[in-house]
Amino acid sequence: GAGVSQSPSNKVTEKGKDVELRCDPISGHTALYWYRQSLGQGLEFLIYFQGNSAPDKSGLPSDRFSAERTGGSVSTLTIQRTQQEDSAVYLCASSPTSAIQETQYFGPGTRLLVL
Amino acid sequence: AQSVTQLDSQVPVFEEAPVELRCNYSSSVSVYLFWYVQYPNQGLQLLLKYLSGSTLVKGINGFEAEFNKSQTSFHLRKPSVHISDTAEYFCAVSAAAAGNKLTFGGGTRVLVKP
Repeated sequence: GAGVSQSPSNKVTEKGKDVELRCDPISGHTALYWYRQSLGQGLEFLIYFQGNSAPDKSGLPSDRFSAERTGGSVSTLTIQRTQQEDSAVYLCASSPTSAIQETQYFGPGTRLLVL
Repeated sequence: AQSVTQLDSQVPVFEEAPVELRCNYSSSVSVYLFWYVQYPNQGLQLLLKYLSGSTLVKGINGFEAEFNKSQTSFHLRKPSVHISDTAEYFCAVSAAAAGNKLTFGGGTRVLVKP
């Protein structure tokens, strides 16, 4: 079946612009996660959704970052006023339930470059 | 809070040789342990996970890992590697007290040489 998909696969933007990154989870998966992978910081958790609500936003690095999920499916991560340090690969994952022992299935990521 | 340390950032290995990737974790509560693999320009794929029971866990592509509670380790092994095993490998933990997120180690890049 279809896996987690993310769009765009690559995004180049200028410092100060806003960007939106999209994630389509596996159909039926109720939990959705965003992570960031960067050279300096490795793989970091950003935010977790259960259905349309976000019980854990503890990883969002600043108030420039926000995310939403609608219809218990698609999620959008928005970065406002991008900075060069936002350059990274943004990974989305989904799992069938929110149980912590569940496997998280990852998408291919969106590579963001802020010039 | 939990943390994960992968002791080797890079491991070069010859084809058909064995490989071991080391992972140590720290947590004040019980954890679940995972190994993921990331091939170039792709997302992460689960290799195996330890939830409970037998401490030796077998995964896909001939990989296995052993959970050692006393040493807080979860090392990954493969007895004979292939060129196609060239990738980056990540150890991760999840714990009830930390919510549902995965905490990852820094990754180990494996380069299989012919």
